[in-house]
Amino acid sequence: DAGITQSPRHKVTETGTPVTLRCHQTENHRYMYWYRQDPGHGLRLIHYSYGVKDTDKGEVSDGYSVSRSKTEDFLLTLESATSSQTSVYFCAISELGLAGGNEQFFGPGTRLTVL
Amino acid sequence: SQQGEEDPQALSIQEGENATMNCSYKTSINNLQWYRQNSGRGLVHLILIRSNEREKHSGRLRVTLDTSKKSSSLLITASRAADTASYFCATVERYGNKLVFGAGTILRVKS
Repeated sequence: DAGITQSPRHKVTETGTPVTLRCHQTENHRYMYWYRQDPGHGLRLIHYSYGVKDTDKGEVSDGYSVSRSKTEDFLLTLESATSSQTSVYFCAISELGLAGGNEQFFGPGTRLTVL
Repeated sequence: SQQGEEDPQALSIQEGENATMNCSYKTSINNLQWYRQNSGRGLVHLILIRSNEREKHSGRLRVTLDTSKKSSSLLITASRAADTASYFCATVERYGNKLVFGAGTILRVKS
């Protein structure tokens, strides 16, 4: 398995509280991604990073922010959690850009419940 | 919005049979990838096919790509109970750097 860990693995929080999810990799891959997975929607991209301090929005970025201060860590923050952000969150990495035919490696996921 | 749409949404077969899943997409692509997800786990990459390729094999997997119809199929031959999982197609647009996933096909292989 690619060296990707996510923390926490499970979290229950209340509406309006801030939440930060962490993705940590030991592969030294340049690209990192955050997805959410909801029934019937597959995976949808929230944000991604193409280098330290370089990030871009994905398909469902509203209500989320990210930061990448080191190659190995990519943080996803929900500034004020809402019930619609209850989901399973996956981090993924790729060595190089996807247009170059590179694959993604996925972390184990974080199950977040917002009450 | 979803790029890939898988068909069928669910498939149940007997061990030893072949399983075919289809994926349609909307825009010009650079490549198309198939992933598997076991229940409660992260996704695992299975196979990638580039836009200039028509067919690719990897073990018991065969992927075809028809860019004129904007569709792809994944064939799993001689299925096993361990193949029970959800299967997702995902596309990378021609000049893009993001994977866009479909909603997936749930495959159940009965032993």
